[in-house]
Amino acid sequence: GENVEQHPSTLSVQEGDSAVIKCTYSDSASNYFPWYKQELGKRPQLIIDIRSNVGEKKDQRIAVTLNKTAKHFSLHITETQPEDSAVYFCAALTNSGYALNFGKGTSLLVTP
Amino acid sequence: EAGVAQSPRYKIIEKRQSVAFWCNPISGHATLYWYQQILGQGPKLLIQFQNNGVVDDSQLPKDRFSAERLKGVDSTLKIQPAKLEDSAVYLCASSFSSSNTGELFFGEGSRLTVL
Repeated sequence: GENVEQHPSTLSVQEGDSAVIKCTYSDSASNYFPWYKQELGKRPQLIIDIRSNVGEKKDQRIAVTLNKTAKHFSLHITETQPEDSAVYFCAALTNSGYALNFGKGTSLLVTP
Repeated sequence: EAGVAQSPRYKIIEKRQSVAFWCNPISGHATLYWYQQILGQGPKLLIQFQNNGVVDDSQLPKDRFSAERLKGVDSTLKIQPAKLEDSAVYLCASSFSSSNTGELFFGEGSRLTVL
């Protein structure tokens, strides 16, 4: 199936700094790339997504960029706040085009 | 709007025993997924249903795992016999979109511990 690699596995930043998480995927036919946030002990929730016909998408403090040629996409969080602390998962559609394969996650810690 | 419901929230069993998890998706969502999330890893797709038909079960260990969605609404995931490596959180998710590029709504998960 689709192979999604995510880096880094852990990330610690100070409040107000920016955080960047990167993912690469293997299937060039993938055309949908969401990001999910999972707080400790809670369910994953969608925070932003991007489709292959768009290079960048922004929603307030978060943005996602996509480079289809290089097969990688990134999550950018600006002006980080302690409540941004969570595990973030990237995902891409599987080879079948029917379901998502997730990366292993990035544990983000924002310290005051 | 009610979310995705799952039960039980926690289950502890011994290896070689069996266990079943239940999921009720959001009303009107035709697509239902079961994911396995091992501690420290991302969710791994086990099976996807579109209404009561299986769309993708390529990563389901069929010698011990089974799932059904008989009436196209609720779903049950069964493990028999369980192994130590099955210890994980089993997440059910549903989606309104049939194009598979829509938001997945996850349940709170069923945490399984196999001793």
